[in-house]
Amino acid sequence: EAGVAQSPRYKIIEKRQSVAFWCNPISGHATLYWYQQILGQGPKLLIQFQNNGVVDDSQLPKDRFSAERLKGVDSTLKIQPAKLEDSAVYLCASQDRDGTGELFFGEGSRLTVL
Amino acid sequence: KQEVTQIPAALSVPEGENLVLNCSFTDSAIYNLQWFRQDPGKGLTSLLLIQSSQREQTSGRLNASLDKSSGRSTLYIAASQPGDSATYLCAVRGGNQFYFGTGTSLTVIP
Repeated sequence: EAGVAQSPRYKIIEKRQSVAFWCNPISGHATLYWYQQILGQGPKLLIQFQNNGVVDDSQLPKDRFSAERLKGVDSTLKIQPAKLEDSAVYLCASQDRDGTGELFFGEGSRLTVL
Repeated sequence: KQEVTQIPAALSVPEGENLVLNCSFTDSAIYNLQWFRQDPGKGLTSLLLIQSSQREQTSGRLNASLDKSSGRSTLYIAASQPGDSATYLCAVRGGNQFYFGTGTSLTVIP
């Protein structure tokens, strides 16, 4: 079974530029999460999708971050414009249909903002 | 709001030693608890998932226990190996969210 796929693995941009991250969850997983992980901390939830609907985006900085999951499968997370404090690893995770099962993570996308 | 704490933040042990990692949480109304391993520069790898109705789960040299009433879980690693060196995180699911600890960084010395 293929795992959660993310790209790119690494991205370096200058502040005020834009960046997009892509995630393809495990096949059949209805729930998809985006987390931000800053070095030395646990993952912080940015947004949760159930199929193509948003369940929780209360911690997403909506003035600069956006995310979509148009067909209930792949998802894209965008940051525009980026700030220095956005430097972090962006992790995508997926979970099976009923949302109470095991959480599976991708390898993450490491963003450095200069 | 659920708070998850992992103590110690770092642990160093000689190879072959058995060890216990701790995870505590403030709200006992959880659906499940999951232990993860994270290697430097990598994503989180799931180790064990314990449902709220279970007391423990085992996988190879790993054993995780859950005591909801006291808000605690432990991850027991038997006969530690250098390859076990990583950061171990626990996460509890409450409501629609997972709440993560900040992890315990484990170093196993050959």
